[in-house]
Amino acid sequence: DIQMTQSPASLSASLEEIVTITCQASQDIGNYLSWYQQKPGKSPQVLIHSAVSLADGVPSRFSGSGSGTQYSLKINRLQVEDTGIYYCLQYYSAPWTFGGGTKLELK
Amino acid sequence: EIQLVESGGGLVQPGRSLKLSCAASGFTFSNYYMAWVRQAPKKGLEWVATISSSDNRTYYPDSVKGRFTISRDNAKGSLYLQMNSLKPEDTATYYCARHEPLTGLDYWGQGVMVTVSS
Repeated sequence: DIQMTQSPASLSASLEEIVTITCQASQDIGNYLSWYQQKPGKSPQVLIHSAVSLADGVPSRFSGSGSGTQYSLKINRLQVEDTGIYYCLQYYSAPWTFGGGTKLELK
Repeated sequence: EIQLVESGGGLVQPGRSLKLSCAASGFTFSNYYMAWVRQAPKKGLEWVATISSSDNRTYYPDSVKGRFTISRDNAKGSLYLQMNSLKPEDTATYYCARHEPLTGLDYWGQGVMVTVSS
């Protein structure tokens, strides 16, 4: 099974700050990686797929990068509405596995 | 508009069974893989099952293999999850999601709560 190690587990940042969340896979997942944002009491919403492709309707301040085993989600100019929990998902091979999540709060 | 609406959750005793349903609309259901993902209270996300679009190939993690069965009715646009021999650790919100092999889980339902307790 492919393990996804996500860091940090929690993060406090200021408005307009740049935020970076990372996921490391236990083996090469060939860019089969997506990022999700989850608000309290809501279902996850996709932000990025294929490691670098912005999902429809997602603000351009979100971006994804990486390859092989190392991937990152970057939020430029953090906004109030960006608080929540972020997860990565590898869909390279079954069992498809999520990272442990990053709780993002405003400082 | 793509919609996924889960139903069938509730309180069930350990060892009993429960069947979840997901009604899909707004897209050609038969063209897409579908999945179930769960989230235990205050915990992270766990993929539970996936079914292919037309030939009904199924995939499960070891944690539910042999106990859960994913199925679909393309004519009705519906996805199902039959859960047998339920355990307290199966307590979670269960989400139905569209599973695109090239882009991941791109649409999610609002979730349905399953509580396994005596």
